[in-house]
Amino acid sequence: AIELTQSPSSLSGSVGDRVTITCRASQGIGSALAWYQRRPGKGPMVLIYDASTLNGGVRSRFSGSGSGTDFTLTISSLRPEDFGTYYCQQFNSYPLTFGGGTKVEIK
Amino acid sequence: QVQLQESGPGLVKPSETLSLTCTVSGGTIRSHNWSWFRQSPGKGLEWIGYITKTGNTNHNPALQSRVSISMDTAKNEVSLRLTSVTAADTALYYCASQVVLFGVIDSWGQGTLVTVS
Repeated sequence: AIELTQSPSSLSGSVGDRVTITCRASQGIGSALAWYQRRPGKGPMVLIYDASTLNGGVRSRFSGSGSGTDFTLTISSLRPEDFGTYYCQQFNSYPLTFGGGTKVEIK
Repeated sequence: QVQLQESGPGLVKPSETLSLTCTVSGGTIRSHNWSWFRQSPGKGLEWIGYITKTGNTNHNPALQSRVSISMDTAKNEVSLRLTSVTAADTALYYCASQVVLFGVIDSWGQGTLVTVS
């Protein structure tokens, strides 16, 4: 199975901060990567798919980049509603696998 | 976008079978592929298995052959059965949909907590 190593595991930022989360795959996955946000009591919501495509309705402050083994999710200007846990996930091969998550808190 | 709602017993005894249902609204289950995921306390998200729009199934080898996924087109429901459960199967269980199998998971339920005790 492909392992995804996500960092940091948690971060605390102020409104307006630029935030970067990284995800490294144990083998090349092309652009078959998605990023999700999960808030307490809710299921994950897709933010980015195909490594860099913004999902419909997602604010443009979110962006994704990378291919192969190294990927990045960037929030250009942190908003209060961006709290939650963020996950990367690969869909290059089964079993589908996820990064360990990054818990984002707003100061 | 379809809406998904998981349901089932919140408490299951060790060695028994965990059974969950995912009710789909806003679309037909024949239009998507369906997966189950879970997250145990302190652990990461884990893919359990899928059933395709045409009824083919696959499951995570880590769960051996304990997993069974089925669909009921008349009720627009997808079901999960996990046999011989132990405390390690205590988790928040999600159903989710994909338009294509090797594609993003486009909709998720809110999850249902199952405790094995």
